[in-house]
Amino acid sequence: ETGVTQTPRHLVMGMTNKKSLKCEQHLGHNAMYWYKQSAKKPLELMFVYSLEERVENNSVPSRFSPECPNSSHLFLHLHTLQPEDSALYLCASSQDSRDNEQFFGPGTRLTVL
Amino acid sequence: GQNIDQPTEMTATEGAIVQINCTYQTSGFNGLFWYQQHAGEAPTFLSYNVLDGLEEKGRFSSFLSRSKGYSYLLLKELQMKDSASYLCAVSITGGGNKLTFGTGTQLKVEL
Repeated sequence: ETGVTQTPRHLVMGMTNKKSLKCEQHLGHNAMYWYKQSAKKPLELMFVYSLEERVENNSVPSRFSPECPNSSHLFLHLHTLQPEDSALYLCASSQDSRDNEQFFGPGTRLTVL
Repeated sequence: GQNIDQPTEMTATEGAIVQINCTYQTSGFNGLFWYQQHAGEAPTFLSYNVLDGLEEKGRFSSFLSRSKGYSYLLLKELQMKDSASYLCAVSITGGGNKLTFGTGTQLKVEL
């Protein structure tokens, strides 16, 4: 595997379910990001981790809970989501948390029923 | 806060040249990125400008004017595969690598 991978690629869940999105980067980067991409809206930054520490929490509802166990893996735990949370969730990584090119994964298409 | 504007859609002809504009209003500007995103795929990095001027990379060039809060992406010798969304994103100082994205410009290349 190379680059940034995300699983699952598609997820359908009910509002009472709990699920997790997984991201893995094989680039030796130290910073990882979660973005939300909704139709007709800009990419929205949700969380930033640098060296496994959260450095940015962009006023995201608590029903989204990130976890970064090491510099290669990033999770987004989901619980009691709302239909408006349906979107494409993109993970990205960069060499560090300064101004470097971010490499994106293919995303998880989430549908909340 | 930050505000980034770019056209929603553009159409151009194969072989032609197209310019996609991006204007921004932000405090603590620290660079501007352009990304390409094909439908259903991940955004991929195209260019980064932090100083005024033109950066050329093959068929793609990007220009920045910090005083005007303006950038453009120039695509030459358009190919059908260039049909995609082009995202303008601004980085601010003190925000780590926090990027604020525009809504993207959907480019359609026609025969």
